[in-house]
Amino acid sequence: EDKVVQSPLSLVVHEGDTVTLNCSYEVTNFRSLLWYKQEKKAPTFLFMLTSSGIEKKSGRLSSILDKKELFSILNITATQTGDSAVYLCAGYNAGNMLTFGGGTRLMVKP
Amino acid sequence: EAQVTQNPRYLITVTGKKLTVTCSQNMNHEYMSWYRQDPGLGLRQIYYSMNVEVTDKGDVPEGYKVSRKEKRNFPLILESPSPNQTSLYFCASTVGGANSPLHFGNGTRLTVT
Repeated sequence: EDKVVQSPLSLVVHEGDTVTLNCSYEVTNFRSLLWYKQEKKAPTFLFMLTSSGIEKKSGRLSSILDKKELFSILNITATQTGDSAVYLCAGYNAGNMLTFGGGTRLMVKP
Repeated sequence: EAQVTQNPRYLITVTGKKLTVTCSQNMNHEYMSWYRQDPGLGLRQIYYSMNVEVTDKGDVPEGYKVSRKEKRNFPLILESPSPNQTSLYFCASTVGGANSPLHFGNGTRLTVT
């Protein structure tokens, strides 16, 4: 059974801090890893990673995948209160099943 | 606007009363999926469909049925709901395959008393 584990479970930081969220995976015939941000409603897509070592960036957010060690990190620099959310990572297998981790709840205080 | 639409947004029902949660997407996506989200358990896949008339079980299919008669619609059916099916449900779709991100609907919060 595929498994995705995220850490930490929750995190409280102050505006301006940099945070790193972790995601490790055990996915049979792994194809790709995705990051989502979930505020009060539906998860919204952030990144999809398929290759090791290639950083994806979007503004203050960036992510990288290590397929040898089976993990990914999501970095957020200069955090803002609007970054407060649950961050989810998920791994696709070759059968097109997407398995989610339990999420990291980030709270950014002013 | 490209979107996944679920209805209803909120539903309170009683044990054993059949219900259907509808899901529709206007992006011509082949792949559609249902998830439930519970505190401490994250998002778990219930059923998914790779195309019309093709459906497969996810991780937690017990107590649910789905159908995919048309490409755009993927309803979730609870024939005899029980309190342990109280949850937040999400429908999602994607072009298809493991190289495309899922697009989620806004969720249906179901309470079974």
